[in-house]
Amino acid sequence: KNEVEQSPQNLTAQEGEFITINCSYSVGISALHWLQQHPGGGIVSLFMLSSGKKKHGRLIATINIQEKHSSLHITASHPRDSAVYICAAMYSGGGADGLTFGKGTHLIIQP
Amino acid sequence: DAGVTQSPTHLIKTRGQQVTLRCSPISGHKSVSWYQQVLGQGPQFIFQYYEKEERGRGNFPDRFSARQFPNYSSELNVNALLLGDSALYLCASSLGAGKLSYEQYFGPGTRLTVT
Repeated sequence: KNEVEQSPQNLTAQEGEFITINCSYSVGISALHWLQQHPGGGIVSLFMLSSGKKKHGRLIATINIQEKHSSLHITASHPRDSAVYICAAMYSGGGADGLTFGKGTHLIIQP
Repeated sequence: DAGVTQSPTHLIKTRGQQVTLRCSPISGHKSVSWYQQVLGQGPQFIFQYYEKEERGRGNFPDRFSARQFPNYSSELNVNALLLGDSALYLCASSLGAGKLSYEQYFGPGTRLTVT
């Protein structure tokens, strides 16, 4: 069964701390997505990656295909980074073409 | 350019009723996907449409149906509503579909409450 596991489920940190959120998945993905969801529901796509590393501002996403693992890092965290971060995999096998989502990591950055 | 739009924003229905949710993709995007997000959970895939054809279906009962129009907008229909259908329904559009993965752009969602 294609699954996506995220950890931690909840994370509270102080402003300025380096944040890491982890994601593991099953074999056969074509891409791994990192998404951000704010209260009220809106989802923003942060990264889509199939290999290596991507950086956008203070956010960095990495993926290790051999270990079936991806991480999202936030440097110099700020209270406005508080949100739910969701990892989602696009499996390239047969069946539905939609994304398979993790349960999300609820991040709170305290001033 | 306008992003993905969804209507209505909020909706309250009673058990047994039928509901239609609407989604307009980003201009130029030909694929629309629908997701259900129950409170406290990650979204679950319902349908993907590309070029007006169903490309994928998640593990949802036949009470759920959808279609895509020539202008690539889409409707999600749910019949015989159950209390468990209460959720945030998200629409996402992308340029294409298939084995390659395309970045998906999400709409603000429609929050459905079934009483």
